[in-house]
Amino acid sequence: GDSVTQMEGPVTLSEEAFLTINCTYTATGYPSLFWYVQYPGEGLQLLLKATKADDKGSNKGFEATYRKETTSFHLEKGSVQVSDSAVYFCALVASGGSYIPTFGRGTSLIVHP
Amino acid sequence: EPEVTQTPSHQVTQMGQEVILRCVPISNHLYFYWYRQILGQKVEFLVSFYNNEISEKSEIFDDQFSVERPDGSNFTLKIRSTKLEDSAMYFCASVGVEVINEKLFFGSGTQLSVL
Repeated sequence: GDSVTQMEGPVTLSEEAFLTINCTYTATGYPSLFWYVQYPGEGLQLLLKATKADDKGSNKGFEATYRKETTSFHLEKGSVQVSDSAVYFCALVASGGSYIPTFGRGTSLIVHP
Repeated sequence: EPEVTQTPSHQVTQMGQEVILRCVPISNHLYFYWYRQILGQKVEFLVSFYNNEISEKSEIFDDQFSVERPDGSNFTLKIRSTKLEDSAMYFCASVGVEVINEKLFFGSGTQLSVL
């Protein structure tokens, strides 16, 4: 079945460091890909998405490019802030059929001043 | 931005007891979901609900689980006889009419601890 694999956390960085959180997926066809973020005490919120190969999703300085050849959707940010500390979830929705997002386990990001 | 509300934020129960987790989805949304995350594991799909009936459910969602939309605003998940392995964070989510590639709105979760 469909699945999403994320790198283990926590990822600990200093402010202004470069961030990469790896995400790879297994799915048939052409899924849509998403990154959600969960700040402490809150629900998951959509951060960005990409719906077809080579699309780049971006929001709040974060970017991710849909790479079909490597089945990846890595999240990047050039300069992280303390306020980016959160748990990041990669997700996919398979093409056709029911709209049921499949999530990874989440990667915790801790940014120190 | 509109919010999905979940109550309680924490629930502690004894094994074998029934629990009801409550959610108030966004008022004009039509599709509702329950997910759970056992500590350190993936966020797992449990069930989706549309037009007052279950549209999809996972293998996890066995006959110990049920969902209801009793009054047009609340959306509940009931576990009839809790087991230790039901301990997890339970998330409710909803999405509007235009489902395709739309974002789910999530509640902040209910942490269920079964002792």
